[in-house]
Amino acid sequence: QVHLVESGGGVVQPGRSLRLSCVASGFTFRSFGIHWVRQAPGKGLEWVAVIWYDGINKYYADSVKGRFTISRDNSKNTVYLQMSSLRAEDTAVYYCVRDNLEVAGTYDYWGQGTLVTVSS
Amino acid sequence: SYELTQPPSVSVSPGQTARITCSGETLPKKYAYWYQQKSGQAPVLVIYEDSKRPSGIPERFSGSSSGTMATLTISGAQVEDEGDYYCYSTDSSGTLRVFGGGTKLTVL
Repeated sequence: QVHLVESGGGVVQPGRSLRLSCVASGFTFRSFGIHWVRQAPGKGLEWVAVIWYDGINKYYADSVKGRFTISRDNSKNTVYLQMSSLRAEDTAVYYCVRDNLEVAGTYDYWGQGTLVTVSS
Repeated sequence: SYELTQPPSVSVSPGQTARITCSGETLPKKYAYWYQQKSGQAPVLVIYEDSKRPSGIPERFSGSSSGTMATLTISGAQVEDEGDYYCYSTDSSGTLRVFGGGTKLTVL
């Protein structure tokens, strides 16, 4: 059974850093691209970043480019999102999401999310 | 940055047809996808590649795309179809993903 479990959220002051983790299980992790998608309280979905299966190709939304870094450790079945220079508008639930290899361009599994609150 | 634009809300009576639009400058060249999100739940894919329906999605859900606009149509909308609907696509390079702002569908 596929599971994606996020952790690392919490309350952080503006300008500080935080690292989120997503631990995967139940599938061949090294074969799948993984995305981070966030949702601010009461707001819509926002795509944040993706890291391809091999860890080489990484892409970011303009809103986080230069501040966030996505990485993965295939030996630990884990994807990370290092967030720095955090702003109030980064407050959201952050979801780890798996690429659907059968239907290109879509997602098939979502984690339960971890809440990041940026506030002084 | 690339954007997809959706109406904030659509409201229909049960049995009527609901249409949710999504406009974006790269939609003539890139596929549109549609996700349904019910309160407190993870999003579910209801349409992919403009008009294809995943297995398990009712036939009343259909999609189309013409020019810079994609449309999700729910024919004979039911109360259980209420929720937020998001279109999704990529930028012109195909590497950056983007969600539309979401449309709240009310069926009552």
